[in-house]
Amino acid sequence: QVQLQESGPGLLKASETLALTCTVSRYSISSGYYWGWIRQSPGRGLEWIATIYHNDSTYYNPSLKSRVTLSVDTSKNQFYLRLTSVTAADTAVYYCARDGSTGWFGESPYNWFDYWGQGALVTVSS
Amino acid sequence: DIQMTQSPSTLSSSVGDRVVITCRASQDISRWLTWYQQKPGKAPKLLVYKASTLQGGVPSRFSGSGSGTEFTLTISSLQPDDFATYYCQQYSGLVAFGQGTKVEVK
Repeated sequence: QVQLQESGPGLLKASETLALTCTVSRYSISSGYYWGWIRQSPGRGLEWIATIYHNDSTYYNPSLKSRVTLSVDTSKNQFYLRLTSVTAADTAVYYCARDGSTGWFGESPYNWFDYWGQGALVTVSS
Repeated sequence: DIQMTQSPSTLSSSVGDRVVITCRASQDISRWLTWYQQKPGKAPKLLVYKASTLQGGVPSRFSGSGSGTEFTLTISSLQPDDFATYYCQQYSGLVAFGQGTKVEVK
């Protein structure tokens, strides 16, 4: 069973950069599948942030694209989220998840998410 | 952007009830729709993808249907473990979630 675990600072100040790591276990990122970040807050509900493939192809939510960067380190079996210039509106539980498509045949990077991390609460203080 | 609207927002039901949750898309998304179940403090759990394909291990009392702009998730006989919040998600154009339907004890 694939396992994902988010890690990173839980408290930030406004204007700082949010940086989260997702560590994947029991599956090698370099073997395939797209990998994504989703966040959830009472005000915005569930919001897809971005998705990445092991070859560094990235796909971003247009509403966040100017502030978001995804990257991947296959040697560590980890992928990363950076969100710059955070505000209180970025306070949320951040999830990493595996997309349902392997990507082996050029499939769309937009699919369902079949495995999720437990979530990391990030609070932005003003 | 494709908007997803779920109804009702809250549904009060009893064990054994048949429960139907509706999700409407702002434009045609074919069958590119997913359903999740979420319990407090937990990540969403995949139930159904491609509108009607049941994820492995999900009880057969759950079923999904629909195409185009209107979709439903049906629980044929509500069990105690099913009280939770349910979300739809489209993946026809980027990814977007509905606002959720909470199934609570009547």
